[in-house]
Amino acid sequence: EAQVTQNPRYLITVTGKKLTVTCSQNMNHEYMSWYRQDPGLGLRQIYYSMNVEVTDKGDVPEGYKVSRKEKRNFPLILESPSPNQTSLYFCASSSRGGRQYFGPGTRLTVL
Amino acid sequence: GESVGLHLPTLSVQEGDNSIINCAYSNSASDYFIWYKQESGKGPQFIIDIRSNMDKRQGQRVTVLLNKTVKHLSLQIAATQPGDSAVYFCAEKPTGGGADGLTFGKGTHLIIQP
Repeated sequence: EAQVTQNPRYLITVTGKKLTVTCSQNMNHEYMSWYRQDPGLGLRQIYYSMNVEVTDKGDVPEGYKVSRKEKRNFPLILESPSPNQTSLYFCASSSRGGRQYFGPGTRLTVL
Repeated sequence: GESVGLHLPTLSVQEGDNSIINCAYSNSASDYFIWYKQESGKGPQFIIDIRSNMDKRQGQRVTVLLNKTVKHLSLQIAATQPGDSAVYFCAEKPTGGGADGLTFGKGTHLIIQP
């Protein structure tokens, strides 16, 4: 089954404790993205990757890092999380020019 | 800045009626538009898309209309069912946009009345 998976689905952490949210897709897609979703603000792109070892900033990249060492994986790293990063995070992938497939979401709470 | 927006944050319709969800966009360089459906606790799911060289596209119970003159996109859902209850997002992709380059609207919550 074609899908995008994210782990963990739920995470509660404390300010400053580094964390990683994993994302994996099995559709051999070139493009992968991370979004955050907040009430009243919709989906905002954090980072995206056009292919292995190619990443670029989206609209709200501050406080986040990503890496793309393999085509299928695109982890999101928060080196020093802060409460304003409490949000619902979605990973997505697509082929060139194609529609995006979204993961199930990761709900992060930073205390 | 340029953005994609929806006219109504909430739309309530009777079960069995047709629903029309609207979206206005401002980037005249956009050439690809998508509608997504997001149910509670889930990620957005693709519904239907349309490219700028078309003005109408139909799927199963859904139709997307694109009016480039007034930069307006709409999603029509025929014979609305309880399972259609969700938040609907439109998204646009400007020509040459980086990676997927999608810009999302804030969403319309469709509520189905029995």
